[in-house]
Amino acid sequence: NAGVTQTPKFRVLKTGQSMTLLCAQDMNHEYMYWYRQDPGMGLRLIHYSVGEGTTAKGEVPDGYNVSRLKKQNFLLGLESAAPSQTSVYFCASSYPGVKTEAFFGQGTRLTVV
Amino acid sequence: AQKVTQAQTEISVVEKEDVTLDCVYETRDTTYYLFWYKQPPSGELVFLIRRNSFDEQNEISGRYSWNFQKSTSSFNFTITASQVVDSAVYFCALSDPREYGNKLVFGAGTILRVKS
Repeated sequence: NAGVTQTPKFRVLKTGQSMTLLCAQDMNHEYMYWYRQDPGMGLRLIHYSVGEGTTAKGEVPDGYNVSRLKKQNFLLGLESAAPSQTSVYFCASSYPGVKTEAFFGQGTRLTVV
Repeated sequence: AQKVTQAQTEISVVEKEDVTLDCVYETRDTTYYLFWYKQPPSGELVFLIRRNSFDEQNEISGRYSWNFQKSTSSFNFTITASQVVDSAVYFCALSDPREYGNKLVFGAGTILRVKS
């Protein structure tokens, strides 16, 4: 059982380039999330989705876009990367209802130079 | 607004010592959930425990124990007889069930270093 899989695991971008991070989950979870992790700041929510075809903004959405065309996939896009977007990105998924915990992917380390 | 504070940025202990990681939270809600996650050096986030605001019983799981005190808005995590494998970043998180989407608010994390 793969759980939550993120692609790629590492990436270096030049300022202004674009890229898409892919998250795939095989647990049939309704909810999916993108977080970023920065030193001393914990994880902060970028965008989330409560079902196929739906997305919503989190705490730090600027500079990112997302899409959830299929229930199992949640894509995070950077249209014009900036050095401030250098971070570790985590995708997570969960069932509805707060009694269930979120399952996290392995993370993607992105460096923007 | 919800907030989670982990005031200890980094803790270093020698193997077999007991260590407590502090977590203080802020919320205006009476119903909420608290979580602890572990992030070992390999980088993934591992779920450790979930506690709802109506259950103030302490929890023990092997060498791990959690002390939830609603009166002080704290949910502290103790590792007894620490081991090198406990070295990781530990995150406390808060979820408001009235917020659509089960979103988690994380603390900044505490880096635990256990030396042999």
